[in-house]
Amino acid sequence: DTEVTQTPKHLVMGMTNKKSLKCEQHMGHRAMYWYKQKAKKPPELMFVYSYEKLSINESVPSRFSPECPNSSLLNLHLHALQPEDSALYLCASSQDPVSYEQYFGPGTRLTVT
Amino acid sequence: DAKTTQPTSMDCAEGRAANLPCNHSTISGNEYVYWYRQIHSQGPQYIIHGLKNNETNEMASLIITEDRKSSTLILPHATLRDTAVYYCIVRVANYGGSQGNLIFGKGTKLSVKP
Repeated sequence: DTEVTQTPKHLVMGMTNKKSLKCEQHMGHRAMYWYKQKAKKPPELMFVYSYEKLSINESVPSRFSPECPNSSLLNLHLHALQPEDSALYLCASSQDPVSYEQYFGPGTRLTVT
Repeated sequence: DAKTTQPTSMDCAEGRAANLPCNHSTISGNEYVYWYRQIHSQGPQYIIHGLKNNETNEMASLIITEDRKSSTLILPHATLRDTAVYYCIVRVANYGGSQGNLIFGKGTKLSVKP
């Protein structure tokens, strides 16, 4: 199984809502990532979890809160987002934190109204 | 990390070889060249990587010049499903810190036409 799954596929939320994005992999990978991708732009790294611990936060606003409950799951909790946060949110995993062979999920298309 | 330069877009006829160039003239000796692609509405997909020698796998071939200042990704028999944005990424293969993470440039939009 070389698949990274993400739910939901699409999400529409208001600026006062609280929602969560979920990511799951069963490849035994020990590094997991969140990327944000705006339309017609390349993906930008947000967070890195290494062995279930947050190792990198690329100066992401606190309205985005990541969580790694176990080695297979990665969540991104969203609260008080702005319309400019509308984007495709991609989850990825790799065997270990130094591997550049990352496996990406299909993403969650988020719209903030 | 070395900066990469890729053409904004390229066309290729179906069944022909697609040759995607990447310039990385400031590459260091310990930096690898990685290629990913992103098909529309999907997450990026790893294709291939290399350091000095040419590499081939079931998806593509990677040709790196002797001075390592440029490389070419070759899709030997392009199909319509190869239409995607192709990203060339140069990164140090090191341990720990942000050096382990991918930084995507603008990439090349490859359109394979019937």
